[in-house]
Amino acid sequence: QMQLQESGPGLVKPSQTLSLTCTVSGGSISSGVSYWSWIRQPAGKGLEWIGRIYTSGRTNYNPSLKSRVTISGDTSKNQFSLRLTSVTAADTAVYYCAREQYYYDSSGYYPNHFDYWGQGALVTVSS
Amino acid sequence: DIQMTQSPSSVSASVGDTVTISCRASQDISNWLAWYQQKPGEAPKVLIYSVSSLQSGVPSRFSGSGSGTDFTLTISRLQPEDFASYFCQQANRFPVTFGGGTKVEIK
Repeated sequence: QMQLQESGPGLVKPSQTLSLTCTVSGGSISSGVSYWSWIRQPAGKGLEWIGRIYTSGRTNYNPSLKSRVTISGDTSKNQFSLRLTSVTAADTAVYYCAREQYYYDSSGYYPNHFDYWGQGALVTVSS
Repeated sequence: DIQMTQSPSSVSASVGDTVTISCRASQDISNWLAWYQQKPGEAPKVLIYSVSSLQSGVPSRFSGSGSGTDFTLTISRLQPEDFASYFCQQANRFPVTFGGGTKVEIK
């Protein structure tokens, strides 16, 4: 059974950089076709997709955050990470890492839905 | 971005009832629609993907339908463990977007 676990500081000061790591067990971030995403959820609100990293190392970012986000992978540790720069109080949220299952047809592979999630990490931006 | 609008935002129901939740996309998303259940303090859990495909292990009282821009999640014979929030998600167009959520509460 695949498991994902977020880790990182729970408190970040405004204007600084938020850094989180997702450790994957029960599966490899570098095998086959897979997509690994970060999603966040402010308290009492909906879900916002932040971005993903492919098995190949290619990345996609939500345009609303693209200028501040970097997602990277460390295959030796079976981890992928999120960096969000210049944070403000609006970045306070529970941050989830998740695996995105793919859909396949004759045209290729496409990210489809999120089938495994971490438990979430609350990150508060405050001085 | 494709906007996903859910209705209602909350619904009160009793055990044994049938509940229907709607999700409308601002553009045609074909069948690229998934539904998630989220309980307080927990991560979302996928229930249905590709509009109507039931995720492994999910009870058959959950079902999905629709196409294009209008989609429905139906929960038949509501059970105590079904009181939670539900979100829809589209994967047809970049970036991935989610609906605002529907909270199913006990009447």
